[in-house]
Amino acid sequence: KQEVTQIPAALSVPEGENLVLNCSFTDSAIYNLQWFRQDPGKGLTSLLLIQSSQREQTSGRLNASLDKSSGRSTLYIAASQPGDSATYLCAVPDSSNTGKLIFGQGTTLQVKP
Amino acid sequence: ETGVTQSPTHLIKTRGQQVTLRCSSQSGHNTVSWYQQALGQGPQFIFQYYREEENGRGNFPPRFSGLQFPNYSSELNVNALELDDSALYLCASSLGGQGTKQFFGPGTRLTVL
Repeated sequence: KQEVTQIPAALSVPEGENLVLNCSFTDSAIYNLQWFRQDPGKGLTSLLLIQSSQREQTSGRLNASLDKSSGRSTLYIAASQPGDSATYLCAVPDSSNTGKLIFGQGTTLQVKP
Repeated sequence: ETGVTQSPTHLIKTRGQQVTLRCSSQSGHNTVSWYQQALGQGPQFIFQYYREEENGRGNFPPRFSGLQFPNYSSELNVNALELDDSALYLCASSLGGQGTKQFFGPGTRLTVL
């Protein structure tokens, strides 16, 4: 059974700092891994999707890496800004034909001005 | 192209009541998945509908039921509401199948008193 874990649960950094969020999964047989952003009480915004054949994806100040063999992914945020404050969730589809997403519990990030 | 929409935005019910939540899928998508997100947790898969048929179900009791209509919009119905049903309910639409990207709506916040 696939399990997804995110560490740390919460993170507070000063503005401008580079930071790394971690995601680990127990079953390396994944199709892809997706990182989401969630503002308080809101829905999920997809940030990056990495296919299993890829090692990393970049979008602006965000870079996500994937190491299937070790069951890990990282989300790197460069030059953090207060507007980056949110909860970041990673998710992988399970092996059933639904492709249902298995989520971690999220990392809540606060970037202080 | 319209994104995924959900209604209502917020809802307050009392224990024992019944509730219906609605989701309109993104144009061209034939699959809708529903997730429940309790406070401070990652979303949990409830069930998925593909072309009007249930296509997989998570660990939720039968009082959680759903429908998908010919235009691929969907409803989530919850009977005999319990306090623990208080959560953010998210729907996601996709083209279906393993590994396809899911696009999330803004969610419905349900509070059960």
